[in-house]
Amino acid sequence: DIQLTQSPSFLSASVGDRVTITCRASQDITYFLAWYQQSAGKAPRLLIYAASTLQSGVPSRFSGSGSGTEFTLTIASLQPEDFATYYCLQLDSYPRTFGGGTTIEIK
Amino acid sequence: EAQLVESGGGLVRPGGSQRLSCAASGFTFNTYSMIWVRQAPGKGLEWISYISSSGNVIYYADSVRGRFTISRDNAGNSLYLQMTSLRVEDTAVYFCARHQTMAEGFDPWGQGTLVTVSS
Repeated sequence: DIQLTQSPSFLSASVGDRVTITCRASQDITYFLAWYQQSAGKAPRLLIYAASTLQSGVPSRFSGSGSGTEFTLTIASLQPEDFATYYCLQLDSYPRTFGGGTTIEIK
Repeated sequence: EAQLVESGGGLVRPGGSQRLSCAASGFTFNTYSMIWVRQAPGKGLEWISYISSSGNVIYYADSVRGRFTISRDNAGNSLYLQMTSLRVEDTAVYFCARHQTMAEGFDPWGQGTLVTVSS
């Protein structure tokens, strides 16, 4: 199974900050990686797919990059609604696997 | 607009069974693969099962294989998850989602339904 390691697990930041989350895969998954945002009590929301393609309707402050085994999600300027938990998901093979999550809290 | 609505959650005893449903609307259901993902209280997301658009290709996570069965009714635009031999560790919110292309991931998701396994 492909393991996804996210870092950091927890992040304290302020509105307006630029933040970067990393997701490392245990083997090459080319660009088959997606990023999700989950607010408390809600279903996950797709932000980025194919490593760097912004899902329709998602603000342009979100961006994704990377390929192979190392990927990043960047939020250019944190907004109040961005304080949530973020997950990466690999779509290269079965079983599909998620990273452990990164929670962004308000500093 | 594509929409998914889960139902069937509730309290069940260890060793018991439960059937979850996922009603789809707003898209051509029989052209999309579907998946189930669960989230234990306070924990991360766990993919548990996949079914192809026609239902002839199915995958399971090791944690549920042999106990859970995914199925679909394309005429009725519905996805199902039959859960048997339930364990305390199966307690979770269960989400259904549309599986887009290999590169596009899971979208949209339902709101989830809570299954609590407890004596």
